[in-house]
Amino acid sequence: DVVMTQSPLSLPVTPGEPASISCRSSQSLLNSYGSNYLNWYLQKPGQSPQLLIYLGSTRAFGVPDRFSGSGSGTDFTLKISRVEAEDVGVYYCMQALQTPSMYTFGQGTKLEIK
Amino acid sequence: QMHLQESGPGLVKPSETLSLTCTVSGGSISGSGYYWDWIRQPPGKGLEWIGTISYSGSTYYNPSLRSRVTISVDTSKNQFSLKLSPVTAADTAVFYCARFWSGSTAGPDAFDIWGQGTMVIVSS
Repeated sequence: DVVMTQSPLSLPVTPGEPASISCRSSQSLLNSYGSNYLNWYLQKPGQSPQLLIYLGSTRAFGVPDRFSGSGSGTDFTLKISRVEAEDVGVYYCMQALQTPSMYTFGQGTKLEIK
Repeated sequence: QMHLQESGPGLVKPSETLSLTCTVSGGSISGSGYYWDWIRQPPGKGLEWIGTISYSGSTYYNPSLRSRVTISVDTSKNQFSLKLSPVTAADTAVFYCARFWSGSTAGPDAFDIWGQGTMVIVSS
């Protein structure tokens, strides 16, 4: 199975400051067509997860441009250019390389406002 | 806009069967390129994928749960269902149904729509 490892697990951030979350996979998520099968989700308090970034770097519909995804192969990063209060919650990376037979999530990174 | 809603008992006894249904509204469950999934989240913990089904009935399950899980689809009711048996206290979790939209039909290859989740407690 593909193991997903996130860091840090806790991320206190001052509003207006940038934030960065790392996600590493135990095997490459890059397929033969050049796409990285890595998604980012945000689970706000008391809510279901929502899709932020797919295929490593494409923002989902309606996601503010302060969110960006980068990386390739086994190392990925989610960046928030200027954190806002509404960004609090737990961020998860997820591999979709093994679609549709298996998906695995990272442990989650809890972003809180200082 | 498509909406997913989970339903089922909130309390199940150990060794019995957990049964949940996800009703899809605002669109057809029979569209190609879509998979219909179950994901769970134990209290205070992370997300675990349980399994998936296509509208045609093809299923895939998490190997760690495969021996206990069955996912089925009823296209006439626009619903898909989860059965987990036998359950233990370790199965206590919020259960989410979600749609996976495959890139084979211009989707994001991601879970793009989620239900609100339903809490299931396993206790006698």
